[in-house]
Amino acid sequence: EVQLLDSGGGLVQPGGSLRLSCAASGFPFTTYWMNWIRQAPGKGLEWVANVNLDGSEGYYADSVQGRFIISRDNAKNSISLQMNSLKVEDTAVYYCAKDHIRGWTLDSWGQGTLVTVSS
Amino acid sequence: ENVLTQSPATLSLSPGERATLSCRATVIVDNYLAWYQQKPGQAPRLLIYGVSNRATGIPARFSGSGSGTDFTLTISSLEPEDSAVYYCQRRGGGPPVIFGGGTKVEIK
Repeated sequence: EVQLLDSGGGLVQPGGSLRLSCAASGFPFTTYWMNWIRQAPGKGLEWVANVNLDGSEGYYADSVQGRFIISRDNAKNSISLQMNSLKVEDTAVYYCAKDHIRGWTLDSWGQGTLVTVSS
Repeated sequence: ENVLTQSPATLSLSPGERATLSCRATVIVDNYLAWYQQKPGQAPRLLIYGVSNRATGIPARFSGSGSGTDFTLTISSLEPEDSAVYYCQRRGGGPPVIFGGGTKVEIK
């Protein structure tokens, strides 16, 4: 059974940093791209970033480009999202999600971790 | 601009009724069109991928169809547990994943 366990959320002041983690199990981790998706309170879903199979390339939404860094550790079956220069509008539940084998579809999601950016 | 517009915003139906949810794109979509279900306080769950393929464990009452710019999620006979927000999603040229704004399905 695929399991994705998100962690690392919390309250941070504007301009601060936070690091999210996602521990994966139940599937051949090195075979799938991984993603971060976020959902602001009461709003819809927004793709944030994804990372390729060996972690050498990350891709980002324009809204986080230059502030967030996605990474993966294939030895530990995990991905991370380093979030810097946080803004109030980054407040959201952040989900890690696994790509479907076909790609560009998210077939398994973590439970989410809440990030609140507020003074 | 790659936008997915979902309609209606809210759908209120009784158990046993048929629900038809629309997802319209501003540009032609390839077959990377998916649907997700999200219940309050839960993560989204993949229902349909590749326009019309049900994900593992998804009941047969959920079906997807469409092509080009117009896609539909149909729930053939609503169950009380189908109360949720439903999102469509496509592959994008800029961001690789683009979501629609969602349709809320309420069961009377």
